[in-house]
This record gives sequence, structure tokens and C-alpha cells, in this order.
Amino acid sequence: SAVISQKPSRDICQRGTSLTIQCQVDSQVTMMFWYRQQPGQSLTLIATANQGSEATYESGFVIDKFPISRPNLTFSTLTVSNMSPEDSSIYLCSGSGGEETQYFGPGTRLLVL
Amino acid sequence: AQSVTQPDIHITVSEGASLELRCNYSYGATPYLFWYVQSPGQGLQLLLKYFSGDTLVQGIKGFEAEFKRSQSSFNLRKPSVHWSDAAEYFCAVSTTGTASKLTFGTGTRLQVTL
Repeated sequence: SAVISQKPSRDICQRGTSLTIQCQVDSQVTMMFWYRQQPGQSLTLIATANQGSEATYESGFVIDKFPISRPNLTFSTLTVSNMSPEDSSIYLCSGSGGEETQYFGPGTRLLVL
Repeated sequence: AQSVTQPDIHITVSEGASLELRCNYSYGATPYLFWYVQSPGQGLQLLLKYFSGDTLVQGIKGFEAEFKRSQSSFNLRKPSVHWSDAAEYFCAVSTTGTASKLTFGTGTRLQVTL
């Protein structure tokens, strides 16, 4: 199994600003994913972070709003840009080592005022 | 596209009682199925998974799930619930292949009364 950490664990931000969330895996993983969990909701996949190439975004999510980096096989960042209160959510990253099992980080709780 | 349905939004059981959380999926090929648990203020923890083989799978914390292809179901069970099992439970399905992504159900919130 993989152990995944995220920073920051929580943050309160002003609208119009940007926040970058870091995701670190303790072992190399093939794929990394970013999810959003809005209050009281299930998880929605934002994008797949591909090492060495651009992220693959799901419908409704765009690179300008959620730029993602994946510089190596153990690290990824998600930036939430030009934030509004509607961006208040939990953002979770996950990693998959190719065995189809995804391990999740603890999440970043974001509140936008 | 695959989808997952968890018909029960909220379930309350007494400590020591048995538990069954329902999950139905829609997917044309062989699914990979998962149950995750999210405790308040925590991330997701994998309880168990089904890829192939024995349709009754054992997981952590005394949970088990049974894959029934004829019913497109993957229900989670526990014979005796503990107060610490109170949490949100998510069923998820993954497409085959290494570049997979999970589709989650809407979750079932479990409340345990003492």
C-alpha cells in the first residue's frame, strides 16, 4: 500500500486568490488523481495527473481553474485559481500503483470567504 | 459509462447489531469494486476490494462484501457493529486497465446507537 500526505491540511482563503495543494506519496505510483468533495457530497474526479505530460481533466473542470503539476512519480500539486466561495470543498489526491487500488490522502479542507 | 448507486443515504443501527450497506453498479464489463470509509474529518480508507475470483471478500475491521453479478451488487456487511464504525461509507467502481479512475456512489452515512 501507499501512504499519501497532503499539505496544507486546511486553509481559509479570500476570494480571488489561489491556493496550491501538495500531494506526496511514499512510493512511486503510476497514476495520481485529484478529487473534489463538496460539503455533504460524494467525490468527483477533477483530473488525472500524468507524469511527464499534461493532466487529463474531467468534464466540467478546466486547466485554467485547476492547473496540475506532476514532476515525478511521487509528487503532484493542484492549484485552485481565482477562488470563489463555491470552491469551498475538500480536495483529495490519490495514487494508484497499477494494481487498480487507489490510496487516498487525508484531504485538504478549503474554505473560501 | 459506469455508475454506482447507494440507495441508503443514512442508516442507524444499534451497537452489536448486524449491518448491510447496499451498492449497485452499472458497467458493461468486469468491474473492479471497492468500499471506502471516511470518518469525520478524515480522508478515505480502503476497506476492501474485488477484482476477480472468490465473490465473498474479506476486508479490514471485520467487514466483508459479496459480489453478485446477477444482481449487479456489491453489498458491504458486518456481523456486529461497533460504535467506532460510525462514518460515511462509499462504494466505488473502476474500469479495467492501469489508467483507471474511480466512480463513487453518493455514500451512506452510518450512525451507531449505544
